[in-house]
Amino acid sequence: KAGVTQTPRYLIKTRGQQVTLSCSPISGHRSVSWYQQTPGQGLQFLFEYFSETQRNKGNFPGRFSGRQFSNSRSEMNVSTLELGDSALYLCASSSIPGTGGEAFFGQGTRLTVV
Amino acid sequence: GEDVEQSLFLSVREGDSSVINCTYTDSSSTYLYWYKQEPGAGLQLLTYIFSNMDMKQDQRLTVLLNKKDKHLSLRIADTQTGDSAIYFCAESAMNSGYSTLTFGKGTMLLVSP
Repeated sequence: KAGVTQTPRYLIKTRGQQVTLSCSPISGHRSVSWYQQTPGQGLQFLFEYFSETQRNKGNFPGRFSGRQFSNSRSEMNVSTLELGDSALYLCASSSIPGTGGEAFFGQGTRLTVV
Repeated sequence: GEDVEQSLFLSVREGDSSVINCTYTDSSSTYLYWYKQEPGAGLQLLTYIFSNMDMKQDQRLTVLLNKKDKHLSLRIADTQTGDSAIYFCAESAMNSGYSTLTFGKGTMLLVSP
């Protein structure tokens, strides 16, 4: 069974630009969560999608948004990039909503904003 | 709110046992997890324990849970150099009616030959 796939692996953007990251969950998993990982703040929850609906959202500004498609693939978008958005963005998939079961993570997308 | 605390660093010699500790604050946590992150990689789920259990063993890994003290530990027996990584403790806690994972800052485990 293929794991969680995140694309691209690396991105360099300039301040003010926008970026879209993609996550394909494990086949059969309908829940996708996104996390931001930085050295200072650690891992912080961004949002969770289940069956194309956002179920939960972390404490991030509106520049961070996401969506989920009918095949459970998810994208997250960050508009008007700031230097502080440089981070590793991780996606996790699970078979049931929330984290009552196991959550499997992708390798992440490393975003650098210059 | 939820808070998960871990020590930042642990150094052991190959063949020794490693014990990584974690404390959490949310008494309603249903699951507690241990993840491993190697350099440049995502998080790998190592093991998890349901909150009504005291202990779970999985090959070289032993998880101990003390609910009264809200203390979780991960013991790695016969630690190998390949175990060098950052280990994250996480709790599944309720947030606005939905459960989310709250992570500690991670413990860097360094295994020397």
